Amino acid sequence: GQNIDQPTEMTATEGAIVQINCTYQTSGFNGLFWYQQHAGEAPTFLSYNVLDGLEEKGRFSSFLSRSKGYSYLLLKELQMKDSASYLCAVADSNYQLIWGAGTKLIIKP
Amino acid sequence: IAGITQAPTSQILAAGRRMTLRCTQDMRHNAMYWYRQDLGLGLRLIHYSNTAGTTGKGEVPDGYSVSRANTDDFPLTLASAVPSQTSVYFCASSDSGERGPQHFGDGTRLSIL
Repeated sequence: GQNIDQPTEMTATEGAIVQINCTYQTSGFNGLFWYQQHAGEAPTFLSYNVLDGLEEKGRFSSFLSRSKGYSYLLLKELQMKDSASYLCAVADSNYQLIWGAGTKLIIKP
Repeated sequence: IAGITQAPTSQILAAGRRMTLRCTQDMRHNAMYWYRQDLGLGLRLIHYSNTAGTTGKGEVPDGYSVSRANTDDFPLTLASAVPSQTSVYFCASSDSGERGPQHFGDGTRLSIL
């Protein structure tokens, strides 16, 4: 079957760095997406990885290892507004997105 | 402002009633999707459409139907609502066919009593 695993909840301190991991097992792979979702709001696109390596976009970076079925989202210089759920999704062989349950990130002052 | 509009924002519905959730996008995206989001679960795909005039079933299609008469609109219909369909429903669209990032509407919070 297809499966996306990510931690349910993480806590970090304002100004610090946090890494949110995602492991996946899917029928085919056509890229991995990270989305941010604030409580009561819609998911918004953060990053896309289809090749191995690190993609950097401001304070956020995303890493992919296809051989290990593994990705992480790295958030630097954490701000209170980064408190949200972070969703990992993989495009399978049919380009349908398989979604993880999301990681709720709590930022403390 | 370009984007995806969903209506209604929220709805309480009696079991057995018929309900249509509306979704309209003005980005001229080819692909559109309907998901449901339940606590503790990832987004689950209900139905999708890769282009106007075509639709397909997702992971959880039972009890739902869709149509795609034109590029902009992708309504989702619950023919006879049941309590297990209580959820938050998100409509999304993507450019570049099915390969681009998906953009989401604000969601419809539906409660079936």
